[in-house]
Amino acid sequence: DAKTTQPPSMDCAEGRAANLPCNHSTISGNEYVYWYRQIHSQGPQYIIHGLKNNETNEMASLIITEDRKSSTLILPHATLRDTAVYYCIVRVGNDYKLSFGAGTTVTVRA
Amino acid sequence: SAVISQKPSRDICQRGTSLTIQCQVDSQVTMMFWYRQQPGQSLTLIATANQGSEATYESGFVIDKFPISRPNLTFSTLTVSNMSPEDSSIYLCSVEGVAGGIQETQYFGPGTRLLVL
Repeated sequence: DAKTTQPPSMDCAEGRAANLPCNHSTISGNEYVYWYRQIHSQGPQYIIHGLKNNETNEMASLIITEDRKSSTLILPHATLRDTAVYYCIVRVGNDYKLSFGAGTTVTVRA
Repeated sequence: SAVISQKPSRDICQRGTSLTIQCQVDSQVTMMFWYRQQPGQSLTLIATANQGSEATYESGFVIDKFPISRPNLTFSTLTVSNMSPEDSSIYLCSVEGVAGGIQETQYFGPGTRLLVL
Protein backbone atom coordinates (compact mmCIF):
# COMPACT_ATOMS: atom_id res chain seq x y z
CA ASP A 1 0.00 0.00 0.00
CA ALA A 2 1.10 3.57 -0.61
CA LYS A 3 2.68 5.39 2.29
CA THR A 4 0.99 8.43 3.82
CA THR A 5 2.53 11.47 5.48
CA GLN A 6 0.69 13.50 8.11
CA PRO A 7 1.79 16.30 10.44
CA PRO A 8 2.43 14.89 13.92
CA SER A 9 0.16 17.35 15.69
CA MET A 10 -2.34 20.17 15.21
CA ASP A 11 -4.25 22.54 17.44
CA CYS A 12 -7.74 23.68 16.51
CA ALA A 13 -10.14 26.17 18.03
CA GLU A 14 -13.49 24.89 19.22
CA GLY A 15 -16.28 25.80 16.80
CA ARG A 16 -13.92 26.40 13.91
CA ALA A 17 -13.29 24.08 10.97
CA ALA A 18 -10.35 21.72 11.36
CA ASN A 19 -8.46 20.90 8.16
CA LEU A 20 -6.24 17.82 8.44
CA PRO A 21 -3.80 17.28 5.55
CA CYS A 22 -2.44 13.98 4.25
CA ASN A 23 0.09 13.34 1.51
CA HIS A 24 -0.01 10.08 -0.45
CA SER A 25 2.08 10.87 -3.51
CA THR A 26 2.60 7.21 -4.51
CA ILE A 27 -1.07 6.27 -4.44
CA SER A 28 -2.22 3.88 -7.17
CA GLY A 29 -5.36 4.13 -9.25
CA ASN A 30 -7.16 1.39 -7.30
CA GLU A 31 -6.27 2.65 -3.82
CA TYR A 32 -8.77 4.39 -1.61
CA VAL A 33 -8.07 7.02 1.05
CA TYR A 34 -9.52 6.14 4.46
CA TRP A 35 -9.67 8.24 7.59
CA TYR A 36 -10.01 6.86 11.11
CA ARG A 37 -9.63 8.51 14.47
CA GLN A 38 -8.75 7.13 17.88
CA ILE A 39 -9.96 8.94 20.93
CA HIS A 40 -7.85 8.20 23.97
CA SER A 41 -8.31 4.68 25.33
CA GLN A 42 -10.85 3.70 22.66
CA GLY A 43 -10.76 1.62 19.49
CA PRO A 44 -10.31 3.45 16.17
CA GLN A 45 -13.47 4.95 14.71
CA TYR A 46 -14.13 4.99 10.98
CA ILE A 47 -14.74 8.51 9.65
CA ILE A 48 -14.88 8.51 5.87
CA HIS A 49 -13.22 7.20 2.74
CA GLY A 50 -13.00 8.06 -0.95
CA LEU A 51 -11.38 7.15 -4.24
CA LYS A 52 -11.24 10.34 -6.29
CA ASN A 53 -14.42 12.29 -5.73
CA ASN A 54 -14.93 14.47 -2.70
CA GLU A 55 -17.04 12.82 -0.04
CA THR A 56 -19.16 14.13 2.82
CA ASN A 57 -21.01 12.43 5.64
CA GLU A 58 -22.38 13.43 9.01
CA MET A 59 -18.93 13.46 10.58
CA ALA A 60 -16.66 15.10 8.04
CA SER A 61 -15.77 15.98 4.46
CA LEU A 62 -12.94 14.47 2.46
CA ILE A 63 -11.33 16.55 -0.26
CA ILE A 64 -9.02 14.65 -2.63
CA THR A 65 -6.85 16.61 -5.07
CA GLU A 66 -7.31 15.97 -8.75
CA ASP A 67 -3.97 14.16 -9.03
CA ARG A 68 -4.92 12.17 -5.88
CA LYS A 69 -1.52 12.79 -4.34
CA SER A 70 -2.96 14.47 -1.29
CA SER A 71 -6.20 14.87 0.60
CA THR A 72 -7.71 16.93 3.40
CA LEU A 73 -10.13 15.81 6.07
CA ILE A 74 -12.40 18.63 7.20
CA LEU A 75 -14.21 18.62 10.51
CA PRO A 76 -16.65 21.47 9.90
CA HIS A 77 -17.20 22.59 13.50
CA ALA A 78 -14.63 21.10 15.82
CA THR A 79 -15.69 20.30 19.37
CA LEU A 80 -13.66 19.26 22.39
CA ARG A 81 -14.84 15.70 21.77
CA ASP A 82 -12.99 15.72 18.43
CA THR A 83 -9.65 15.68 20.26
CA ALA A 84 -8.05 12.45 19.02
CA VAL A 85 -5.34 10.90 16.86
CA TYR A 86 -6.43 10.99 13.21
CA TYR A 87 -5.10 8.38 10.81
CA CYS A 88 -4.99 8.73 7.03
CA ILE A 89 -4.65 5.30 5.39
CA VAL A 90 -4.37 4.26 1.78
CA ARG A 91 -5.85 0.90 0.95
CA VAL A 92 -6.50 -1.16 -2.15
CA GLY A 93 -10.24 -1.63 -2.47
CA ASN A 94 -10.31 -5.41 -2.19
CA ASP A 95 -7.37 -5.73 0.22
CA TYR A 96 -8.34 -5.86 3.87
CA LYS A 97 -5.00 -4.70 5.20
CA LEU A 98 -4.97 -1.36 6.99
CA SER A 99 -1.50 0.07 7.60
CA PHE A 100 -1.70 2.57 10.43
CA GLY A 101 1.01 5.22 10.58
CA ALA A 102 1.67 7.61 13.44
CA GLY A 103 -1.31 9.82 12.55
CA THR A 104 -1.96 13.43 13.55
CA THR A 105 -2.71 14.24 17.18
CA VAL A 106 -5.45 16.86 17.02
CA THR A 107 -6.16 18.93 20.10
CA VAL A 108 -9.29 21.06 20.08
CA ARG A 109 -9.02 23.99 22.49
CA ALA A 110 -11.85 26.01 23.97
CA SER B 1 -22.15 -0.44 11.70
CA ALA B 2 -22.01 -3.50 13.96
CA VAL B 3 -21.75 -3.42 17.73
CA ILE B 4 -18.47 -5.06 18.71
CA SER B 5 -17.67 -6.06 22.27
CA GLN B 6 -14.47 -7.42 23.77
CA LYS B 7 -13.87 -9.28 27.01
CA PRO B 8 -12.09 -8.60 29.21
CA SER B 9 -11.82 -4.84 28.80
CA ARG B 10 -8.58 -4.88 30.78
CA ASP B 11 -6.46 -7.31 32.76
CA ILE B 12 -3.26 -7.52 34.73
CA CYS B 13 -1.44 -10.83 34.32
CA GLN B 14 1.69 -12.52 35.59
CA ARG B 15 4.46 -13.42 33.19
CA GLY B 16 4.37 -16.96 31.92
CA THR B 17 0.58 -17.17 31.99
CA SER B 18 -1.86 -16.97 29.07
CA LEU B 19 -4.91 -14.79 28.49
CA THR B 20 -7.78 -15.40 26.07
CA ILE B 21 -9.56 -12.33 24.70
CA GLN B 22 -13.04 -12.65 23.24
CA CYS B 23 -14.58 -10.59 20.45
CA GLN B 24 -18.34 -10.73 19.89
CA VAL B 25 -20.25 -9.00 17.09
CA ASP B 26 -23.99 -8.45 17.12
CA SER B 27 -24.37 -9.43 13.46
CA GLN B 28 -22.68 -11.77 11.02
CA VAL B 29 -19.54 -10.40 9.41
CA THR B 30 -17.39 -11.61 6.59
CA MET B 31 -13.99 -10.96 8.10
CA MET B 32 -12.53 -10.56 11.58
CA PHE B 33 -9.07 -9.29 12.47
CA TRP B 34 -6.85 -8.88 15.50
CA TYR B 35 -4.53 -5.90 16.03
CA ARG B 36 -2.01 -4.96 18.67
CA GLN B 37 -1.22 -1.45 19.84
CA GLN B 38 1.88 -1.23 21.97
CA PRO B 39 2.22 1.70 24.40
CA GLY B 40 2.60 4.98 22.53
CA GLN B 41 2.56 3.20 19.17
CA SER B 42 0.17 2.79 16.28
CA LEU B 43 -1.82 -0.32 15.43
CA THR B 44 -0.24 -3.43 13.95
CA LEU B 45 -2.22 -6.24 12.35
CA ILE B 46 -1.59 -9.59 14.05
CA ALA B 47 -3.77 -11.90 11.96
CA THR B 48 -6.98 -12.51 10.09
CA ALA B 49 -9.34 -14.87 11.89
CA ASN B 50 -10.74 -17.32 9.35
CA GLN B 51 -13.92 -19.17 10.07
CA GLY B 52 -13.42 -22.90 10.07
CA SER B 53 -9.71 -22.79 9.27
CA GLU B 54 -6.42 -21.61 10.67
CA ALA B 55 -5.85 -17.90 11.04
CA THR B 56 -3.63 -16.03 8.60
CA TYR B 57 -0.75 -14.42 10.48
CA GLU B 58 1.22 -11.33 9.52
CA SER B 59 4.99 -11.29 9.47
CA GLY B 60 6.40 -11.37 12.98
CA PHE B 61 3.40 -13.11 14.56
CA VAL B 62 3.09 -16.87 15.03
CA ILE B 63 0.31 -19.24 15.96
CA ASP B 64 2.10 -20.66 18.99
CA LYS B 65 2.25 -17.23 20.59
CA PHE B 66 -1.14 -15.90 19.42
CA PRO B 67 -3.53 -18.79 18.78
CA ILE B 68 -6.80 -17.58 17.27
CA SER B 69 -10.17 -19.22 16.91
CA ARG B 70 -13.22 -18.25 14.90
CA PRO B 71 -15.97 -20.83 15.34
CA ASN B 72 -18.71 -18.82 13.61
CA LEU B 73 -19.46 -15.55 11.81
CA THR B 74 -19.94 -13.48 14.97
CA PHE B 75 -17.24 -14.60 17.42
CA SER B 76 -13.47 -14.89 17.67
CA THR B 77 -10.85 -15.36 20.37
CA LEU B 78 -7.21 -14.36 20.59
CA THR B 79 -4.94 -15.99 23.16
CA VAL B 80 -1.73 -14.32 24.24
CA SER B 81 0.43 -17.24 25.37
CA ASN B 82 3.34 -17.45 27.79
CA MET B 83 3.15 -13.73 28.39
CA SER B 84 6.06 -11.43 29.09
CA PRO B 85 6.05 -7.70 29.95
CA GLU B 86 6.68 -6.98 26.25
CA ASP B 87 3.16 -8.26 25.55
CA SER B 88 1.66 -5.36 27.49
CA SER B 89 -0.50 -3.69 24.84
CA ILE B 90 -4.00 -2.92 23.75
CA TYR B 91 -5.43 -5.78 21.69
CA LEU B 92 -8.16 -4.80 19.26
CA CYS B 93 -10.65 -6.80 17.29
CA SER B 94 -11.99 -5.43 14.00
CA VAL B 95 -14.59 -6.65 11.53
CA GLU B 96 -15.41 -6.11 7.90
CA GLY B 97 -18.30 -7.08 5.69
CA VAL B 98 -21.09 -6.09 8.02
CA ALA B 99 -24.56 -6.67 6.60
CA GLY B 100 -26.06 -3.23 6.03
CA GLY B 101 -22.78 -1.49 6.78
CA ILE B 102 -20.34 0.29 4.51
CA GLN B 103 -18.58 -2.37 2.51
CA GLU B 104 -14.78 -2.63 2.42
CA THR B 105 -14.66 -0.77 5.72
CA GLN B 106 -13.35 -2.09 9.02
CA TYR B 107 -15.00 -1.35 12.33
CA PHE B 108 -13.11 -1.73 15.58
CA GLY B 109 -13.98 -3.00 19.00
CA PRO B 110 -13.17 -1.06 22.19
CA GLY B 111 -9.96 -2.96 22.83
CA THR B 112 -8.52 -5.04 25.69
CA ARG B 113 -5.83 -3.39 27.78
CA LEU B 114 -3.30 -5.93 28.96
CA LEU B 115 -0.56 -5.31 31.49
CA VAL B 116 1.93 -8.10 32.13
CA LEU B 117 3.97 -7.95 35.31
